[in-house]
Amino acid sequence: GQQVQQSPASLVLQEGENAELQCNFSSTATRLQWFYQRPGGSLVSLLSNPSGTKHTGRLTSTTVTKERRGSLHISSSQITDSGTYLCAMERGSNAKLTFGKGTKLSVKS
Amino acid sequence: GGIITQTPKFLIGQEGQKLTLKCQQNFNHDTMYWYRQDSGKGLRLIYYSITENDLQKGDLSEGYDASREKKSSFSLTVTSAQKNEMAVFLCASSPGLNQDTQYFGPGTRLLVL
Repeated sequence: GQQVQQSPASLVLQEGENAELQCNFSSTATRLQWFYQRPGGSLVSLLSNPSGTKHTGRLTSTTVTKERRGSLHISSSQITDSGTYLCAMERGSNAKLTFGKGTKLSVKS
Repeated sequence: GGIITQTPKFLIGQEGQKLTLKCQQNFNHDTMYWYRQDSGKGLRLIYYSITENDLQKGDLSEGYDASREKKSSFSLTVTSAQKNEMAVFLCASSPGLNQDTQYFGPGTRLLVL
């Protein structure tokens, strides 16, 4: 079955609203990574952390490894934040990344 | 900074055809990866390589071959393209295997007629 589940599958926001993206994983993970993909574009690594909370700019990643869940919070969303956000679970090494299907975010003016 | 280049950007093939995708990186990274991304699904690892001439199977290696000819390049071959197959193949690299950020290329879009 699906080892990494992301929710919601899609999200539409007005510019300035906050976004909360969820990631649940079914087996033990050493780290959770978040990636951003623009339509037709390559993936960009956003944040990764084994546990706890990590910030960069308007992004906050929270990982609770024991509860097998994580989240990505985007504050004051902008139109340029639109795209797909992928969560990936790492199991021991970088080569063992298991990706979720992604959350498609659309931010409108 | 560095860059990952993938060629071609678009690849249209025929059923049963052998197709090769190429990836180059100038980060001087040791590790390189090939992923497949299907619509509505997450990325799946096909092959990865820890260093020049090394090759490791991922979760989806059946139907593919790979070759790490030199540190900067990693190629992937679809051994027999499947009819109506449509996917994006993404190449990535990282300094090493352990908790290093992966940098991704723009992808090669495959369509098999």
